Amino acid sequence: SQQGEEDPQALSIQEGENATMNCSYKTSINNLQWYRQNSGRGLVHLILIRSNEREKHSGRLRVTLDTSKKSSSLLITASRAADTASYFCATDESSYKLIFGSGTRLLVRP
Amino acid sequence: EAQVTQNPRYLITVTGKKLTVTCSQNMNHEYMSWYRQDPGLGLRQIYYSMNVEVTDKGDVPEGYKVSRKEKRNFPLILESPSPNQTSLYFCASSLTRGGGYTFGSGTRLTVV
Repeated sequence: SQQGEEDPQALSIQEGENATMNCSYKTSINNLQWYRQNSGRGLVHLILIRSNEREKHSGRLRVTLDTSKKSSSLLITASRAADTASYFCATDESSYKLIFGSGTRLLVRP
Repeated sequence: EAQVTQNPRYLITVTGKKLTVTCSQNMNHEYMSWYRQDPGLGLRQIYYSMNVEVTDKGDVPEGYKVSRKEKRNFPLILESPSPNQTSLYFCASSLTRGGGYTFGSGTRLTVV
């Protein structure tokens, strides 16, 4: 079952611009996580935000969480070509598994 | 280096021939999971384990088995593979309940 739905499905920006991806989910969560996946490779954990947190930063990443709207956003500032990847949100409901969204494919043009 | 190691990376097999995909983590993580990733369907959990000898079904367990005899290892077993199990498989582990997961590099399985 898919919990999170990312928007947009694909995003193409110029190097140096900011990239914003959104995630919506359906049920109550313990936390929400963002992962990056380079083509065909394993997922890399980027950031985790708990249900009682509203905003979190990690380097060029900024994540917000609005539990009333059941949505989250990931902002990547000053994007680089190396940021080109697919980005997934994943929600933790039962604490034994993550439910992943459909992903946003980000292309950063040099 | 802290990591989750899956083997093999690529595998082509024939229908019905039993196979095992190995997964090992060196971080002393308690929680481990197997996912499959398919175009248009995203990542779906197959099985998960909360500790040694404790496993449970995920969303798509049919046709798969797992075991957790040691904390570090969590092999995925396909007793009689079928073409609909052609997919990209990922093993992942986490130290804490509800924490971030470390993923392996993936196993691309083709069943003909």
